[in-house]
Amino acid sequence: EAGVAQSPRYKIIEKRQSVAFWCNPISGHATLYWYQQILGQGPKLLIQFQNNGVVDDSQLPKDRFSAERLKGVDSTLKIQPAKLEDSAVYLCASSLVDTQYGYTFGSGTRLTVV
Amino acid sequence: SQQGEEDPQALSIQEGENATMNCSYKTSINNLQWYRQNSGRGLVHLILIRSNEREKHSGRLRVTLDTSKKSSSLLITASRAADTASYFCATEQTGANNLFFGTGTRLTVIP
Repeated sequence: EAGVAQSPRYKIIEKRQSVAFWCNPISGHATLYWYQQILGQGPKLLIQFQNNGVVDDSQLPKDRFSAERLKGVDSTLKIQPAKLEDSAVYLCASSLVDTQYGYTFGSGTRLTVV
Repeated sequence: SQQGEEDPQALSIQEGENATMNCSYKTSINNLQWYRQNSGRGLVHLILIRSNEREKHSGRLRVTLDTSKKSSSLLITASRAADTASYFCATEQTGANNLFFGTGTRLTVIP
């Protein structure tokens, strides 16, 4: 089975620019998550979708971050404008509604804001 | 703050030895999961233990859970150089179905 696909793999932008990340989850996985992982820390949940509805976005900095999951499949995460502290790896994960089998993570997008 | 805290932050052992990592958390949970992350890559699910379970095995992995102490441990037996990675515990809190990750343990297995 294909894994969770993410692109781009790396991105370098200047502060105040905008950037977008794309994720394609495993087919049949209704739940999709975006996590932010700052170097040396564990992943932090940004937003969770079930199908195309938002379940939890309590930790998403909504003044600059936005995400959507059109048609309940692919998802995009956008940052506008970026700050230096947004430098991190952005991980997408998907799971069945029943999470007993765990989450499947993509390889992530490493963002550097200069 | 993050839900879980791993201990130790870093661990270095010889190949063939056992590695034990501990995780503490703060609230009631549905389950606790362990993930592995190789440098610069995504996380890989290793094992899940439910709140009503006390011990679980999968190959060379053994996980224990003590809900009264809000703690878990991951034991990797007969370690290999390929086990070198960061290991994270993650908890699914009661009433939620997303994961909160700890700070991770960096394991180095020396050949």
